[in-house]
Amino acid sequence: EAGVTQFPSHSVIEKGQTVTLRCDPISGHDNLYWYRRVMGKEIKFLLHFVKESKQDESGMPNNRFLAERTGGTYSTLKVQPAELEDSGVYFCASSQVGAGPFPRFGPGTRLTVL
Amino acid sequence: AQSVTQLDSQVPVFEEAPVELRCNYSSSVSVYLFWYVQYPNQGLQLLLKYLSGSTLVKGINGFEAEFNKSQTSFHLRKPSVHISDTAEYFCAVSDSFYKLSFGAGTTVTVRA
Repeated sequence: EAGVTQFPSHSVIEKGQTVTLRCDPISGHDNLYWYRRVMGKEIKFLLHFVKESKQDESGMPNNRFLAERTGGTYSTLKVQPAELEDSGVYFCASSQVGAGPFPRFGPGTRLTVL
Repeated sequence: AQSVTQLDSQVPVFEEAPVELRCNYSSSVSVYLFWYVQYPNQGLQLLLKYLSGSTLVKGINGFEAEFNKSQTSFHLRKPSVHISDTAEYFCAVSDSFYKLSFGAGTTVTVRA
């Protein structure tokens, strides 16, 4: 079984630019999550999709962040415009509905905003 | 609301020595508890989980953890570590069936 994949693995952008992160969940996993770890702190929940519907986006920091999951497959997380404090590692995770709160995580995308 | 405190940010340990990583949580409701590991350049991997039942939970790679409700703790242990156990370890808690709250992580460095 292929794992959760994320692209790119690293991204370095200037403040004010736009960046789009992509996540491909495990096939058949309707739950998809985004988490973020900033500057060696806790990994924090951003949002949760079930198929293409946002179930909980309470962790999204502000309206510069936009997550989408078209067709209930892959997801994108866009940051526009990026700020210095957005630097960190963005993790995507997926699970089957009803499988419990222990999803499979991807390797993360390391975002650096200069 | 829940929070997780990992009491040690760095734990150096010699190969074949035991290790304990401490985790305390706060929650007003019953919770599920987890330990994840992140090896260098890899994603988070589930080590073990406590959902209910026996308070001693065994996981992969020889790790185990004990849930102590009265002390709101979920400490992770391994009796003998290997160089390959060098990684960052995260304690996490959930009171729902989908959202995790993580601690800040403990970096374990195993030395020969």
